[in-house]
Amino acid sequence: EVQLLESGGGLVQPGGSLRLSCAASGFTFSSYVMSWVRQAPGKGLEWVSVVSGSGGVTNYAASVKGRFTIARDNSKNTLYLQMNSLRAEDTAVYYCAKKPTGTMGWFDPWGQGTLVSVSS
Amino acid sequence: QSVLTQPPSVSGAPGQRVTISCTGSSSNIGAGNDVHWYQQLPGTAPKLLIYGNNNRPSGVPDRFSGSKSGTSASLAITGLQAEDEADYYCQSYDSSLSGCVFGTGTKVTVL
Repeated sequence: EVQLLESGGGLVQPGGSLRLSCAASGFTFSSYVMSWVRQAPGKGLEWVSVVSGSGGVTNYAASVKGRFTIARDNSKNTLYLQMNSLRAEDTAVYYCAKKPTGTMGWFDPWGQGTLVSVSS
Repeated sequence: QSVLTQPPSVSGAPGQRVTISCTGSSSNIGAGNDVHWYQQLPGTAPKLLIYGNNNRPSGVPDRFSGSKSGTSASLAITGLQAEDEADYYCQSYDSSLSGCVFGTGTKVTVL
């Protein structure tokens, strides 16, 4: 069974940093594109970032480009999201998701999410 | 900053049919990019409902169906059940933005 388990969320002050992790199991992690999607409280879904199976190709939403960095450690079956210069508007539940058919395709499955709160 | 537009809410009585529209543009749905749909039950992560415009993953009831035409797509739920109360989101790829985009979301209420 494919499982994705996020961790690392919490309360951080504006301008601070946080690193999220997503531990994957049940599939050959290095063979799949992985992504982060977030959802602000009471709001809709927003795609954040994507990384290729090797980790060599990445892309970001305009709202986080230059502040967030996606990475993966295929030896540990783990996806990361380094978030710097955090703003109040980054407050959201962050989900990691597998992209079975690549960058342009759908997200399946999703992890349970980890909450990031940016506030002073 | 949703690029795909959905109605905020739709409702129906048990057993009825409801549809949810997803309107995009020439850079996403109209560019020939596939549309996918997700169901998000209260307090849970989104779950894939329809992929590739009209395909159901294993385990998704055939009461759910998808279609796509031009710059829009639709999700239909027939034989509406109480357990279908949830938020529904469409998703595609935007060639201009070089990234995935989601719909604004639709809350389905079973009367």
